[in-house]
Amino acid sequence: NAGVTQTPKFQVLKTGQSMTLQCAQDMNHNSMYWYRQDPGMGLRLIYYSASEGTTDKGEVPNGYNVSRLNKREFSLRLESAAPSQTSVYFCASTPGTDTQYFGPGTRLTVL
Amino acid sequence: SQQGEEDPQALSIQEGENATMNCSYKTSINNLQWYRQNSGRGLVHLILIRSNEREKHSGRLRVTLDTSKKSSSLLITASRAADTASYFCATAFLDSWGKLQFGAGTQVVVTP
Repeated sequence: NAGVTQTPKFQVLKTGQSMTLQCAQDMNHNSMYWYRQDPGMGLRLIYYSASEGTTDKGEVPNGYNVSRLNKREFSLRLESAAPSQTSVYFCASTPGTDTQYFGPGTRLTVL
Repeated sequence: SQQGEEDPQALSIQEGENATMNCSYKTSINNLQWYRQNSGRGLVHLILIRSNEREKHSGRLRVTLDTSKKSSSLLITASRAADTASYFCATAFLDSWGKLQFGAGTQVVVTP
């Protein structure tokens, strides 16, 4: 099992460009999450999906959209990137409401 | 706002010593979890303690939870250089549907 995979690992965008971060898990987990981590800070929840077909906003959803494509995949889209979105993005999944399993992260720089 | 606040922000110890870090939170929780993050990597789950538990052990890790003080501590005994990492507490508050709120973390450096 690969666990939680994320693509790409690194990305540089110019202000105003759009992109989609991909996340997939092969553990048959119901819930999936997108976080961002800024220097010296913990993770902040952007969006989550409690189950296939549902998505909800987290703590910092502005500027982002998500799609739960199927049970395995949960993508995060930046429609018009801003320098404030420079961060490391982590995807996570969980079978229920306890332990979360994290992907390796995507390091995004917006110039 | 962040639910969990960790203390200290940074900790430097020598191999063989114990490392203790604390986490305080503000609202009632379902459970509290500790995660480790090695530099540039994703988070790895270490241990989960539920609101009705007071202490839990896993290998060299010991976690305590005091719900009356809304605080938890993580103790790593006999530290090794490989324990160098950032440690985060994460709280699952009631009716959170699995959502976690993370603290800012404690950066631990273990020198040989």
